[in-house]
Amino acid sequence: DVKVTQSSRYLVKRTGEKVFLECVQDMDHENMFWYRQDPGLGLRLIYFSYDVKMKEKGDIPEGYSVSREKKERFSLILESASTNQTSMYLCASSGTSGYNEQFFGPGTRLTVL
Amino acid sequence: ELKVEQNPLFLSMQEGKNYTIYCNYSTTSDRLYWYRQDPGKSLESLFVLLSNGAVKQEGRLMASLDTKARLSTLHITAAVHDLSATYFCAVGHWLSFGAGTTVTVRA
Repeated sequence: DVKVTQSSRYLVKRTGEKVFLECVQDMDHENMFWYRQDPGLGLRLIYFSYDVKMKEKGDIPEGYSVSREKKERFSLILESASTNQTSMYLCASSGTSGYNEQFFGPGTRLTVL
Repeated sequence: ELKVEQNPLFLSMQEGKNYTIYCNYSTTSDRLYWYRQDPGKSLESLFVLLSNGAVKQEGRLMASLDTKARLSTLHITAAVHDLSATYFCAVGHWLSFGAGTTVTVRA
């Protein structure tokens, strides 16, 4: 079974703090993704990576950056957290063969005070 | 930009009855995915539809794809409480998601 893990299930930070969200997958997938999920808006893609050290902006990259130094790990960074970044953050991974379906981690619920 | 619309956004189902969720998308795509999300949990893959006319079934759920109409449907047969969840469709190579349909099944 594909396993995608995220470093924290719940996180509370203060405005202006630098926040790191970590994601690790164990299926040797090339592609990794960060989404945020807000009620009524579905999932919105923040950034994705199709290879180590490669990254592409998604639909809502402002206020976020990412890092992928190793194939299995993809980090989302909030340089200076703001209250409008309070959300559920979901990480996913997918391979380049087969159905290309994405497998999701359990999510991190981030609250910025 | 690929847009994905689901309707309805909320669906209250009576146990034992049949219902359909619709997913429309704006540009050509060769694949469509359905996911399920239980409250407080992550997304679980239900179906991957890869061609026009594709139909897949699992238990009381059946998904179909009409690429010419840019439409997929998720049909629920004889709803049961266990099907209460939010259902998302997603389209395209990098997956653009619909807003989700929150399903509640009542006795």
